[in-house]
Amino acid sequence: AQKITQTQPGMFVQEKEAVTLDCTYDTSDPSYGLFWYKQPSSGEMIFLIYQGSYDQQNATEGRYSLNFQKARKSANLVISASQLGDSAMYFCAMRDLFGNEKLTFGTGTRLTIIP
Amino acid sequence: EAQVTQNPRYLITVTGKKLTVTCSQNMNHEYMSWYRQDPGLGLRQIYYSMNVEVTDKGDVPEGYKVSRKEKRNFPLILESPSPNQTSLYFCASSLSGGYQETQYFGPGTRLLVL
Repeated sequence: AQKITQTQPGMFVQEKEAVTLDCTYDTSDPSYGLFWYKQPSSGEMIFLIYQGSYDQQNATEGRYSLNFQKARKSANLVISASQLGDSAMYFCAMRDLFGNEKLTFGTGTRLTIIP
Repeated sequence: EAQVTQNPRYLITVTGKKLTVTCSQNMNHEYMSWYRQDPGLGLRQIYYSMNVEVTDKGDVPEGYKVSRKEKRNFPLILESPSPNQTSLYFCASSLSGGYQETQYFGPGTRLLVL
């Protein structure tokens, strides 16, 4: 069965510092996609970044990058130069072929940026 | 603007009173899905649809119904709501059911069942 584990329930980071949010996953399917979503206090789910299981390079999108270590089954999100607007809940999710194409979510990490 | 819309955004109801949450997308996506979000549990899939007239159960389908008569619409029906269905509900869509396809979410519907 697919599983996503996020072990950091909450994090506090000083503004302008880089932050790494941890995510490990488990699947027996060789074909899968890993996604990160941001949920601000207003509640909507905002897609941030995607990494495919066959991608050779780590994904990057602006200040977001994904540290993909396939052998360790980890897909950590790195936010560079954090801003106050980055304060939110962050979810790691996975989609594979064996899970009826659904997104399997972790329990999330609440990130708070301190001025 | 490409988007997924949900209505209503907020709903307070009483046990047993049938309700429908609408979901519509304007991106011509084949795959649509409903999730519920509860504290400490992340998001869990309720139902999904691979295309028109094709729907199937997700991980937590009990107490819910769906239909997909048109490609753009995927309503969620609670025939007899109960307090344990109090939750934040999200509709999502993607171009197809492929593992590499990004699912885009609606703004969410906060439901309180008294």
